[in-house]
Amino acid sequence: AQSVAQPEDQVNVAEGNPLTVKCTYSVSGNPYLFWYVQYPNRGLQFLLKYITGDNLVKGSYGFEAEFNKSQTSFHLKKPSALVSDSALYFCAVRDRTGGGADGLTFGKGTHLIIQP
Amino acid sequence: DVKVTQSSRYLVKRTGEKVFLECVQDMDHENMFWYRQDPGLGLRLIYFSYDVKMKEKGDIPEGYSVSREKKERFSLILESASTNQTSMYLCASSPSGANEKLFFGSGTQLSVL
Repeated sequence: AQSVAQPEDQVNVAEGNPLTVKCTYSVSGNPYLFWYVQYPNRGLQFLLKYITGDNLVKGSYGFEAEFNKSQTSFHLKKPSALVSDSALYFCAVRDRTGGGADGLTFGKGTHLIIQP
Repeated sequence: DVKVTQSSRYLVKRTGEKVFLECVQDMDHENMFWYRQDPGLGLRLIYFSYDVKMKEKGDIPEGYSVSREKKERFSLILESASTNQTSMYLCASSPSGANEKLFFGSGTQLSVL
């Protein structure tokens, strides 16, 4: 079975400061990893994914994430936060051995609040 | 851009009613999914489908059924709605392949009274 843990329900950051949203995962094999963002009353929007290769993945809106196999982590980062980054963020995982038809396993989500 | 359209943004139903949630995607994706989203629980997979007329149970299928008669359409059915099915329901689609991302609709907020 696969699972995702997002240890923080909420992260507060001052505008202009760097931000990190934490994610750890568990899969039986090797993972595909994803980050999504959800703005109020909207569906989920894709930010970035790790497939293979470089452990640092760059995505939309200036976000990036670092894959760390030894720590089974995939933390989301941004060098300088904007108030408009305030949203609900989800980490998701899929085991590579699956065919993809069974969807993604999501974490519980982290509320990111950027204070002006 | 891929578009996943859910027929209703808000829906209010009574206990015991039969409820249909409709989802249509316009990019010829093989896979389609229904999730429910609850505060503090994240997204949980209800059912998925990898082909027309094919369906598989997800993590929380009890009280739900699905129908996929055409490739672009995936319907979620609540046979007899209950108050514990009050939730945000999200439909998603994706191409086949384990490294493919999911494309989500805007969601249907269902309230069962």
